[in-house]
Amino acid sequence: GAVVSQHPSWVICKSGTSVKIECRSLDFQATTMFWYRQFPKQSLMLMATSNEGSKATYEQGVEKDKFLINHASLTLSTLTVTSAHPEDSSFYICSARNRQGQDLNTEAFFGQGTRLTVV
Amino acid sequence: AQSVTQLGSHVSVSEGALVLLRCNYSSSVPPYLFWYVQYPNQGLQLLLKYTTGATLVKGINGFEAEFKKSETSFHLTKPSAHMSDAAEYFCAVSDRRGNKLVFGAGTILRVKS
Repeated sequence: GAVVSQHPSWVICKSGTSVKIECRSLDFQATTMFWYRQFPKQSLMLMATSNEGSKATYEQGVEKDKFLINHASLTLSTLTVTSAHPEDSSFYICSARNRQGQDLNTEAFFGQGTRLTVV
Repeated sequence: AQSVTQLGSHVSVSEGALVLLRCNYSSSVPPYLFWYVQYPNQGLQLLLKYTTGATLVKGINGFEAEFKKSETSFHLTKPSAHMSDAAEYFCAVSDRRGNKLVFGAGTILRVKS
């Protein structure tokens, strides 16, 4: 299957600083990327959907000014956690999907996740 | 709106025994259904998916699932558990327009030797 690379795999940052997480599709063009957050022992919660070249669509309750998403190219999307606080500590996972003709519902491939710890 | 319910947050089986992980979904439109596996501190790997056609879907690592519309279920099975199957499994649903995946709460599978 296609490969999605997420970097870094883990990061520790001080409270009040910003952290950027990258999500790259290595062998396909990702027209749509998704960012999820996973709390310990819980499922994945979709934070936002981004389409290349347009603004991200955030899920209800997700602060767009807190979690900045940029999808400037067909192979790269970034999530920036601004002014991070301990409650932002979580496991963040991206997924990417390619468009094939008019079939939008192609498989989404997941990155390996980023463990963010804010101290 | 779509939702997924996974019965049993933890399932424990003996090595070589049948694995059955339950998933029921709710969808107002014909669904696409998925099973993913997640190992600790890793992303998700697709095991199998149902889109259209045959309702019995075979996936990787010997897993399979059957889409039963009348029961709104998509249970995951494997005839013989292996130690390497120990992981967390997520069932997910999306609509056929390719909108977002909605995940169940996950089931942690433990395999005893």
